[in-house]
Amino acid sequence: AQKVTQAQTEISVVEKEDVTLDCVYETRDTTYYLFWYKQPPSGELVFLIRRNSFDEQNEISGRYSWNFQKSTSSFNFTITASQVVDSAVYFCALSEAQYQGAQKLVFGQGTRLTINP
Amino acid sequence: EAQVTQNPRYLITVTGKKLTVTCSQNMNHEYMSWYRQDPGLGLRQIYYSMNVEVTDKGDVPEGYKVSRKEKRNFPLILESPSPNQTSLYFCASSYRQDYNSPLHFGNGTRLTVT
Repeated sequence: AQKVTQAQTEISVVEKEDVTLDCVYETRDTTYYLFWYKQPPSGELVFLIRRNSFDEQNEISGRYSWNFQKSTSSFNFTITASQVVDSAVYFCALSEAQYQGAQKLVFGQGTRLTINP
Repeated sequence: EAQVTQNPRYLITVTGKKLTVTCSQNMNHEYMSWYRQDPGLGLRQIYYSMNVEVTDKGDVPEGYKVSRKEKRNFPLILESPSPNQTSLYFCASSYRQDYNSPLHFGNGTRLTVT
């Protein structure tokens, strides 16, 4: 069965520090998708990125970057020059094919990130 | 605006009193799903639906029912809520068999059962 592990339960850093959130996954599928979601204190889930298993290129979006390494089954997320507004719970997730092609997300436990001023 | 709408946003109830959390999407998505979020466990799937009148169990279906009489609506029913169903619930939808489309989530319903 698929599994996603976010070993860091909570991280606390001072503003402007760089921070990396770890995500390790397990799957037997050769085709799969990985996701990161942000959950701010207001509670909604904000989609950040999707990466398919055939695309190992790292991606950068402003202060956010993602490092996908199939060799270590990891999909880590780095925030550069962190800001207080980055404080949230971050979830890594792996897609799992359900009946007739539906996509089910298997989530990690989440990492609570606190950025202190 | 494309969205998934859940109601209510907050709900406090007592053990055994039947309740329904509504979910509606305006994107003509075939696939809809319910998740619950609990501390230290992430989000876990409760039920999902591939299309009208087609539903199936997810990982934690006990104590829940769903229905899909219309494409846009996918209500979650707790016929006899218990305190262990206190949780944050999310409804989600997507196009079926569209692996390039991420799930669209509602804003969540925080349920407390006393």
